Amino acid sequence: QVLLVESGGGVVQPGRSLRLSCAASGITFSTYAMHWVRQAPGKGLEWVAVISFDGNNKYYADSVKGRFTISRDNSKNTLYLQMNSLRVEDTAVYYCARDQHYYDSSGYYIGWFDPWGQGTLVTVSS
Amino acid sequence: DIQLTQSPSFLSASVGDRVTITCRASQGIRSYLAWYQQKPGKAPKLLIYAASTLQSGVPSRFSASGSGTEFTLTISSLQPEDFATYYCQQLNSYFALTFGGGTKVEIK
Repeated sequence: QVLLVESGGGVVQPGRSLRLSCAASGITFSTYAMHWVRQAPGKGLEWVAVISFDGNNKYYADSVKGRFTISRDNSKNTLYLQMNSLRVEDTAVYYCARDQHYYDSSGYYIGWFDPWGQGTLVTVSS
Repeated sequence: DIQLTQSPSFLSASVGDRVTITCRASQGIRSYLAWYQQKPGKAPKLLIYAASTLQSGVPSRFSASGSGTEFTLTISSLQPEDFATYYCQQLNSYFALTFGGGTKVEIK
């Protein structure tokens, strides 16, 4: 059974830092790209960042670019999100999710997110 | 970035009803679309990928179709456990993945 468990959330003041972790089990973690997605209270889903299976490629949403860093330790089956210069608007539940995909007959990458972790709440408040 | 517009944003329906949710993309995304279901306090759950492929274990009353810019998710006969919020997601560009605003399905 594939399981993703996030941790590291909490209450932090604006401008401070926080590091989230996502521990994976039941999968060969090192073969999958991984994502962070967040959801502000009462709002919709917002993709945050993605990291390739080997950690060599990373992409970020414009809203977090330059402040957040996604990383992974494949020896520990763990994904991270380092969040610096936090803002009130970063308050959200943060989910990690596994990237699944196949290549269609034309060679195009067909992807989706499955499974998702249970989420960890980050509250940025003074 | 590619914008996804879901409609309606809120839907009131009865058990047994046929329900259709639409997701429109601001530019063509071929079949790079997934649908998720989210219940209060829970993580999203994958229902559909590649625009129309039902995820293993998802009941067959769920179906989806579309390509390019217009997509639909249909629940053929709404069950009590289907009352939730549904999101579409485009995966055309991994530089800027986006979700639709969500459709909340509530009991009439």
